[in-house]
Amino acid sequence: GAVVSQHPSWVICKSGTSVKIECRSLDFQATTMFWYRQFPKQSLMLMATSNEGSKATYEQGVEKDKFLINHASLTLSTLTVTSAHPEDSSFYICSARELAGMTQYFGPGTRLLVL
Amino acid sequence: GQNIDQPTEMTATEGAIVQINCTYQTSGFNGLFWYQQHAGEAPTFLSYNVLDGLEEKGRFSSFLSRSKGYSYLLLKELQMKDSASYLCAALDSNYQLIWGAGTKLIIKP
Repeated sequence: GAVVSQHPSWVICKSGTSVKIECRSLDFQATTMFWYRQFPKQSLMLMATSNEGSKATYEQGVEKDKFLINHASLTLSTLTVTSAHPEDSSFYICSARELAGMTQYFGPGTRLLVL
Repeated sequence: GQNIDQPTEMTATEGAIVQINCTYQTSGFNGLFWYQQHAGEAPTFLSYNVLDGLEEKGRFSSFLSRSKGYSYLLLKELQMKDSASYLCAALDSNYQLIWGAGTKLIIKP
C-alpha cells in the first residue's frame, strides 16, 4: 500500500521550454502533496505544499510563477517548470500524505536536465 | 528556530550493529520519522514514532524520547545494501516536516 508514482522519470529539454511533472497516489487519497527538489549530494529542499482544491503554499525563495502547482484531485498533483533554464536541472521528488495519516510517501522522483 | 541534528557520515562493518542519533528542536511536535535514501533515488519510509520508546521492525528499530528531543535508528545485522543516507525528520505543530541533512552510512565488508 501507499504507492506514489511520478511521470516522467527523466526529462531532457531545451532552455526556455516548459516541463510538466505528474505525481499520483495510486492506492490512497492524499489531501496534501509536497514537492521537493534535491541537487546532487545535497539535502531535500521543500519547494511547496499543495492541498487539494486550493492554492499551493510556496517556501521562501521559490518562485510561484516559475513553478506552477496544481492539485486538482485527491490523487493527482502536477508541477510545471515554466521557461526552464539550466539552473533548474535537478531531481524533483513529490510526496503524498494520506487523509488521516502523518506519513509522507515519496514518488520515485523526476530527473530534469535543461540544456 | 527549528533544527534537526544528525551526524553527517558513519561507517560500519557488514554484520555489525549501528546506531544513528538524531536530536530535534521544533515548534510543537507530532512525531519523528526516519527515511532511507539510496544514492540517486527518492526517500523511502522506515519508521514513525510519536510515543516514547522503541519500535522494532525486523532488522531496523527506532527509539524516541520526547523529553530529551532525541531519537535513534538502530540497524542490526548490517548488509551491504544498507549503505544509504538516513534522514531524520520531525513533524512540527503545523504538521510540517522539518528535515535533517541526513547521515550517510557506509558499510564495509
